[in-house]
Amino acid sequence: EVQLVESGGGLVQPGGSLRLSCAASGFTFSSYEMNWVRQAPGKGLEWVSYISSSGSTIYYADSVKGRFTISRDNAKNSLYLQMNSLRAEDTAVYYCARDFDTDYWGQGTLVTVSS
Amino acid sequence: QSVLTQPPSASGTPGQRVTISCSGSSSNIGSNYVYWYQQLPGTAPKLLIYRNNQRPSGVPDRFSGSKSGTSASLAISGLRSEDEADYYCAAWDDSLSASYVFGTGTKVTVL
Repeated sequence: EVQLVESGGGLVQPGGSLRLSCAASGFTFSSYEMNWVRQAPGKGLEWVSYISSSGSTIYYADSVKGRFTISRDNAKNSLYLQMNSLRAEDTAVYYCARDFDTDYWGQGTLVTVSS
Repeated sequence: QSVLTQPPSASGTPGQRVTISCSGSSSNIGSNYVYWYQQLPGTAPKLLIYRNNQRPSGVPDRFSGSKSGTSASLAISGLRSEDEADYYCAAWDDSLSASYVFGTGTKVTVL
């Protein structure tokens, strides 16, 4: 069974940093591209970042470019999102998701940026 | 700010057919596949349609997707109470650097 489990969310002050993790199991992690998607409270879905299966190709949404870094460790079956210079508008539930041709999403982890 | 525009709401009575539109541009819907998601409150999105009109295993054939030019639509036939949810279209966008864009979302209410 495919499972994606996010962790690392929490409360952080504006300007602070946080690192999200997504532990994958039930499939050959190194063969699949991965994404981070977020949803602010009461708002719609927003794609954050993409990483190819090897990690050689990476894309970011303009809203996080230069502040967030996506990475993966295929040996550990894990996906990461390093978030720096956090702003109030980054407050959201963050989901990791496998390739968009399939329906595998984590349960989400809440990041709250507030003083 | 989303580049895919959906109506904020749609509604119908049980058994009716409801259609949700998604308007984009040549850099997204016009040149890439369209995806549709259903989201119930407090849960992760669920993929309903991928590659314009393909249904993942387990998605009822009451849900169907289509695409024409720079627009797409999701149809729900035989509307049921459990279909009350938020629906989002999405597509890759090739302008400047690649990005995956979601629609503005449509709340479907079963009357």
